[in-house]
Amino acid sequence: QVQLVQSGAEVKKPGSSVKVSCKASGGTFSSYTISWVRQAPGQGLEWMGRIIPILGIANYAQKFQGRVTITADKSTSTAYMELSSLRSEDTAVYYCAAQRGTITFGDKPYYYMDVWGKGTTVTVSS
Amino acid sequence: SSELTQDPAVSVALGQTVRITCQGDSLRSYYASWYQQKPGQAPVLVIYGKNNRPSGIPDRFSGSSSGNTASLTITGAQAEDEADYYCNSRDSSGNHLEVFGTGTKVTVL
Repeated sequence: QVQLVQSGAEVKKPGSSVKVSCKASGGTFSSYTISWVRQAPGQGLEWMGRIIPILGIANYAQKFQGRVTITADKSTSTAYMELSSLRSEDTAVYYCAAQRGTITFGDKPYYYMDVWGKGTTVTVSS
Repeated sequence: SSELTQDPAVSVALGQTVRITCQGDSLRSYYASWYQQKPGQAPVLVIYGKNNRPSGIPDRFSGSSSGNTASLTITGAQAEDEADYYCNSRDSSGNHLEVFGTGTKVTVL
């Protein structure tokens, strides 16, 4: 099964950008989509967006449109999430997760994130 | 985008049964997946689809769905089940976006 290894903690100034990486190993990178989920201190999980590495297609939660860019490098099985114009409210743990799905004729489809990275702490502070 | 609503907190006596619910319009179109998260740890998938458990998840965890509501049931709760639980599904916008529930803190007494 794939494992996801994320880059280390970051401390950023307001207005700057951060780029977090997520390297997959032990599985077929192209078999998954990679989602990015963040969790602010004491808060719930918040989906930011995803990329389909085999296609290079990304889509984003409306809240982050224009500020987040998710990319993937198939040659290194690594996904990236870049968040710009950072503010203090962006202080959070950022997770990548490998997502799969099933569509069955005559039943509801479902999608699930069965492998998660350990998270990358991003602190935005002046 | 649609929302998924969960009760903020529930408690259960050791060995008893607890049901956590998740409500949202998108659940009429998609099955939910459920994640357990303990303090300082990444979420762990516990239920997906109609009622599927990943390898390693105890069979005391089960899932169900009816209308706009998905449920996660822990039958015979153990101390180690104390955690936050989140539901998740595609939203109902048709844009293939995801949404997480608001989360439920489960306390085992």
